[in-house]
Order: sequence, then C-alpha cells, then structure tokens
Amino acid sequence: GAGVSQTPSNKVTEKGKYVELRCDPISGHTALYWYRQSLGQGPEFLIYFQGTGAADDSGLPNDRFFAVRPEGSVSTLKIQRTERGDSAVYLCASSASGGNSEAFFGQGTRLTVV
Amino acid sequence: RKEVEQDPGPFNVPEGATVAFNCTYSNSASQSFFWYRQDCRKEPKLLMSVYSSGNEDGRFTAQLNRASQYISLLIRDSKLSDSATYLCVVNPGTASKLTFGTGTRLQVTL
Repeated sequence: GAGVSQTPSNKVTEKGKYVELRCDPISGHTALYWYRQSLGQGPEFLIYFQGTGAADDSGLPNDRFFAVRPEGSVSTLKIQRTERGDSAVYLCASSASGGNSEAFFGQGTRLTVV
Repeated sequence: RKEVEQDPGPFNVPEGATVAFNCTYSNSASQSFFWYRQDCRKEPKLLMSVYSSGNEDGRFTAQLNRASQYISLLIRDSKLSDSATYLCVVNPGTASKLTFGTGTRLQVTL
C-alpha cells in the first residue's frame, strides 16, 4: 500500500533482550518521526529525522534507545536491554516536509516486555 | 508545565449535541497547530489544521487564540461516529517535532 508501514505489528520479548522496530514511510516523505504511546496517554515524541539525519532526538529516554535512517527512507528504532517499562505502542509517522505538513502514522508496533 | 495540555475527559454527550474542547500550549513561538483524531487501538489521523483566522470543515470548527495560547475544537450535531479521542498537536517550528497533548476522549450516545 501507499501508507506508512511498520513491522512487526506485535512484538513480545524478554526483559534484557534487544529489539528492532522497522518503519517504511510514504515514498518521497523527507520527515520521519518516532513516537511511543502508553494506554490513556498521547503519543510521546522520541526522535525526528529530516532526510538521513536526526534533526531532534531529544525525546529518546536514555542511551538504550537508538534510531537510524541510513538512506533517508526506511528507519529502524533499536532498543537494547529492554525493560518492562518499555512496553508501549511505538508509532512511526512521515510527512512530506516536516512540521507544517500533515503527518501520516503507521499502525504501530505493540511491544510487550515480559 | 506540560507543553500541550488537554482535559482528558471523557466527555459524554447525546447525539446531536454541540461539544467543545480546549487545549493550551506553553511555547509562545509555536507556529503550527492541528487536531488529530484517534480511534481505539488505531493510529492518529489528521482531523484538521488550525489557522489563525479560524477554520471550519463541515460540523467541525477550529480556532486559535495566540494571545492566550489556546486552541479549540467545536463539534456541532454530534454523531455516534464522532466517538474517539481528539489530540491537540503543536509544532514549535517548521522543522521540528510535533508535540501531542494527552487527548480528550469523546463518547457520543443515543
């Protein structure tokens, strides 16, 4: 399809393991965002890419979280040494040019750390 | 103070009612404002952008008050299908993150 695609849709992992979450944005969109959302809360900003570079990574909670977008398209969010508190829905969004244009969200990856 | 604040609700209203949500933001330099809608266990989707002059889209009206740093959303003639969470979103600059409020839950009943 032409929308933002996130894989996997669900991920269950054991505490301490490493996980990678993938986001495939809408073709041609230069801006890409990662958010995470817990039940009853709004999306919490993690990181924003403009092209290949992270324009704003101020939302990454600690150094266990890292994200890349090496070719300016697909992005991977990487979480090391997962903790139970990392359990949430991780949402990816893309937009044509950044903050003034509509952001389209993927359906998210539901991460459960047991 | 949170960057974007909303009353979480829930707002329970009968079909046909008019309901209004407010949202306040802390960064006076913010440039772009939006309302997104999120259905249960779904991703957020843009409902409408909010312009300084105010804008209307069918039953929905959005207004911006820069002096008081708040945004409002008015829904007229509520439908059952309007039941969702409404997220206030602020962008402080043209190349910056979008900051979301916690959302206001609306439940429209028969």
